[in-house]
Amino acid sequence: GAGVSQSPRYKVAKRGQDVALRCDPISGHVSLFWYQQALGQGPEFLTYFQNEAQLDKSGLPSDRFFAERPEGSVSTLKIQRTQQEDSAVYLCASSLVRGPNTEAFFGQGTRLTVV
Amino acid sequence: AQKVTQAQTEISVVEKEDVTLDCVYETRDTTYYLFWYKQPPSGELVFLIRRNSFDEQNEISGRYSWNFQKSTSSFNFTITASQVVDSAVYFCALSDDSGSARQLTFGSGTQLTVLP
Repeated sequence: GAGVSQSPRYKVAKRGQDVALRCDPISGHVSLFWYQQALGQGPEFLTYFQNEAQLDKSGLPSDRFFAERPEGSVSTLKIQRTQQEDSAVYLCASSLVRGPNTEAFFGQGTRLTVV
Repeated sequence: AQKVTQAQTEISVVEKEDVTLDCVYETRDTTYYLFWYKQPPSGELVFLIRRNSFDEQNEISGRYSWNFQKSTSSFNFTITASQVVDSAVYFCALSDDSGSARQLTFGSGTQLTVLP
């Protein structure tokens, strides 16, 4: 597709359930980023990949959060044993390369609601 | 530590009015980048502009203009002759000298509603 695609768009999980959120970046984009956006707030950085290498995971809030990009294209953000505070929109972005002259394109996000 | 403050939580204007969205930032970096993004109801963040800290020249793009003032650490965004389609949440963001999306610090956003 032309843009960053995320699935599912909406996910309702029972507390304690594991979830997996998928991101299809723009074809050929080297860099991929995950952000978490709580209701009424700006996005907050979670993790960053360059190709298949996860170069920064400093924003992951706990060890229940895990991200992978095994073949350097599609990425999955997994949350284990979900808790209510995990409810948020999870945004994925990709860019051609890392750096100031490359625009990052964001997907529409996955809205996760933990009940 | 970096911080971005968007003091205006919500703004409502009537179509064709001009509106300015305020953004104040804090950083200890001497080189940094400032961004504005638009988030329509569909959810994706749409890139509007990126400026580096050495370029204080104001920029105009159609109905959009940006006023960067390093002396007051502000990077304000003005929409001239607003339209209903401008209704969205607007985010100001700050990055370190990499300018990468990895290092973006976002403000809490301003919800702009343009009434017909």
